[in-house]
Amino acid sequence: GAVVSQHPSWVICKSGTSVKIECRSLDFQATTMFWYRQFPKQSLMLMATSNEGSKATYEQGVEKDKFLINHASLTLSTLTVTSAHPEDSSFYICSARARTAGTSFYNEQFFGPGTRLTVL
Amino acid sequence: GEDVEQSLFLSVREGDSSVINCTYTDSSSTYLYWYKQEPGAGLQLLTYIFSNMDMKQDQRLTVLLNKKDKHLSLRIADTQTGDSAIYFCAEKKDSSYKLIFGSGTRLLVRP
Repeated sequence: GAVVSQHPSWVICKSGTSVKIECRSLDFQATTMFWYRQFPKQSLMLMATSNEGSKATYEQGVEKDKFLINHASLTLSTLTVTSAHPEDSSFYICSARARTAGTSFYNEQFFGPGTRLTVL
Repeated sequence: GEDVEQSLFLSVREGDSSVINCTYTDSSSTYLYWYKQEPGAGLQLLTYIFSNMDMKQDQRLTVLLNKKDKHLSLRIADTQTGDSAIYFCAEKKDSSYKLIFGSGTRLLVRP
């Protein structure tokens, strides 16, 4: 249980285009999903926190108009990188916090496998 | 503050024990985690410890927490080549669901 998937796993796009990344919790409902960015050989940096049915909360320094987050259901959040540039190339990882009370999943975050974005 | 620090690299021989260290600065952290990341993959939760515990053991993994010194360690017994990966410690404050990650320690297990 507690599986989080991301799609696509790898995407290459041209500069100026937009790219959408999906994050799904496959076997649990996620009240909250988190989006992280990881540069090569570096740690994960939290970009934003996404709550189902409400606007995402962005970390300081993250442009909300560039990184659009939608959390339309308890199992799906999307991150759209708009007008992508080469400096947006990175590994994007989502995580989901389980909603279900009374189980070992409660309040823990489970991570997706990541999406590698390369902008040419 | 929200700094979590780790040494960058550790190399051990197969069969030896590995000890990965982590220091954090925020004494209000209530949960501390260890995650494993293999190349090109997401993070896998290995274990976690509550701040009111000193030690937690789970099969080959032993977590030690020194709350006074804000020091966390992960010991891997009988390290195998499949344990080669990057290990991240992370802290979470009870008032927030945000995780603050360390810089990661790259563990290399030599045959």
